[in-house]
Amino acid sequence: EAQVTQNPRYLITVTGKKLTVTCSQNMNHEYMSWYRQDPGLGLRQIYYSMNVEVTDKGDVPEGYKVSRKEKRNFPLILESPSPNQTSLYFCASSPLAVGISYNSPLHFGNGTRLTVT
Amino acid sequence: GENVEQHPSTLSVQEGDSAVIKCTYSDSASNYFPWYKQELGKRPQLIIDIRSNVGEKKDQRIAVTLNKTAKHFSLHITETQPEDSAVYFCAASLHGTSYGKLTFGQGTILTVHP
Repeated sequence: EAQVTQNPRYLITVTGKKLTVTCSQNMNHEYMSWYRQDPGLGLRQIYYSMNVEVTDKGDVPEGYKVSRKEKRNFPLILESPSPNQTSLYFCASSPLAVGISYNSPLHFGNGTRLTVT
Repeated sequence: GENVEQHPSTLSVQEGDSAVIKCTYSDSASNYFPWYKQELGKRPQLIIDIRSNVGEKKDQRIAVTLNKTAKHFSLHITETQPEDSAVYFCAASLHGTSYGKLTFGQGTILTVHP
């Protein structure tokens, strides 16, 4: 089944303890991206990757890192999580390296709910 | 960068009524406008999209209109059903370049009462 898989689905951690949220897609998609969803703020883009070894900042990259060593994986790293990073995180992918378009729609994972205390 | 404003934040309708959600965008270069539906506890899923060279697009009970001059686009749902209850997000992007950003609106919680 074609899908974007995120792990874990739920994570509770403490301030300052490094964590990684994994994201993997099995559709051979070029483009991958991370979003955070907060009430009243919609979905905000954290980082995106147009292809292997190519990453770029979205609108809210502070406090996050990403890497794209393989096409299928795009982990989100929080080196020193803080309570303001408590949020619902979505990984997404799309087929083409030209970004999001009518022939390259976004496919979302099921989300990771992160709580930082 | 692009800024997308979405209104209303909540919308309550009776089953069978129509629902309209409106979005405005700031970057006149944006040329692709998708709409996503997110049911409670689920991931967002694309329901319809429109390119900037098209003024209107319909898919059964759902339609999207685009006014490039005014930089706004709208989602129209006719004959609403309880299963249309969800959060709806509009978004804007620049297709056809190496620009990888997709900017979302704040979301509209649509409730359809039976």
